[in-house]
Formats: sequence, C-alpha cells, structure tokens
Amino acid sequence: NAGVTQTPKFQVLKTGQSMTLQCAQDMNHNSMYWYRQDPGMGLRLIYYSASEGTTDKGEVPNGYNVSRLNKREFSLRLESAAPSQTSVYFCASSAHTGSNSPLHFGNGTRLTVT
Amino acid sequence: GEDVEQSLFLSVREGDSSVINCTYTDSSSTYLYWYKQEPGAGLQLLTYIFSNMDMKQDQRLTVLLNKKDKHLSLRIADTQTGDSAIYFCAESWGSARQLTFGSGTQLTVLP
Repeated sequence: NAGVTQTPKFQVLKTGQSMTLQCAQDMNHNSMYWYRQDPGMGLRLIYYSASEGTTDKGEVPNGYNVSRLNKREFSLRLESAAPSQTSVYFCASSAHTGSNSPLHFGNGTRLTVT
Repeated sequence: GEDVEQSLFLSVREGDSSVINCTYTDSSSTYLYWYKQEPGAGLQLLTYIFSNMDMKQDQRLTVLLNKKDKHLSLRIADTQTGDSAIYFCAESWGSARQLTFGSGTQLTVLP
C-alpha cells in the first residue's frame, strides 16, 4: 500500500528551466494538495484540487501551475524556475476537503534552483 | 491568511514529559491538528481535536485546547529518543477547509 508517491525525490534546475513534479495516490481520495516547506516557515499551500476536474490557488501560487490528470494524479509544473523556488515540495491527499479528513503526505521532492 | 505560531526548538531528557505549544488565529477553526515529521519524510498525522473539546488523550499523547486564548498544546508523556522530530500544529480554515501550518517545533530528546 504505497499511499502518496512523489517523483522525483531530488532535482537540481538552472534558472529558467522548466519541470513537472509528479504525485499519485492510491487511496481513492478526492482531494489533493501541493505544499512547499521552507525553513522556519512551515508548510504553505501552493494549489489544491478539491475533486477531480477542479483546481484552486492556495497561499503561494505564483510561478506554478497544476494539473489534476485524473483522480489519482496531481502534478505541479514550474514553467521558468527561479532561485526563490528552491524548497521541499510535498504532495498530500485527503478523502475530501472537510476538516475531519486528515491529510496524507508523500515523502517530498527536494528542489534546488541555481 | 490565517496565522499559526510555534516556538522553534524544545529539548527534553528521555523519560520526561514534553509540552509543545501553539497559538492560532481563526476562531472558526473546526479541527486542529498535530503532525510529526521525521528526517527525510513527509508529515504524519499524530492526532487532532475537534473545537468543542477541551482535551483529548491518546496513549502517551494529550492535546489541550483553550479556545478563549486560541492556544493548543501537545504533551508527550515519557518522551523517548524515537520522539525526536519536528512537530507541526495546523488549523483548518476557509470554505475548502485548507490547512495552515505553524513553522514547526524541533523536539530533541537527550539521553
């Protein structure tokens, strides 16, 4: 039972390059999320998808795009990477967006932009 | 957006109790959560408390909620070296009940 799987685990990009972070969950969850984690700042929500076919901006969406490819998969794209996007990115899923539906996290993607 | 605050570091001796504190701002939060993050891993849900409760106990974990002061705490009894990790407090807010996380408290358990 894999839960939430993220790829890649590590990535180094040059400024201006693009890449897509992949996330898949096998728990039949409706809602999926992308967070970034920076030292001393906790996790900040980038985008989320309450259900298949919908996406919404979170707290820090600038410089990112997302695609909810199907119920299982939610990808995060950086079109033109900047050093400020150096961070650890976490994908999460939950049964739904209600408060009593806890998040399940992947193990993260560590991205460095030089 | 909403704001959740925690102290950054806490050190305790093995066998002692640990108390990690958190303050939040959204008085309409329905659930408040504690997550644990071990090195190189994602966040793992430890426990959560519904806003109409004052206390919740789960084995070695006790959560206390003071709604008047918007203060949440996590007490770990008989702290072990395996409890060393970063602990995040989170509150839910907004129409889609997104979570806002605190900055995390690094708990170090000394032998």
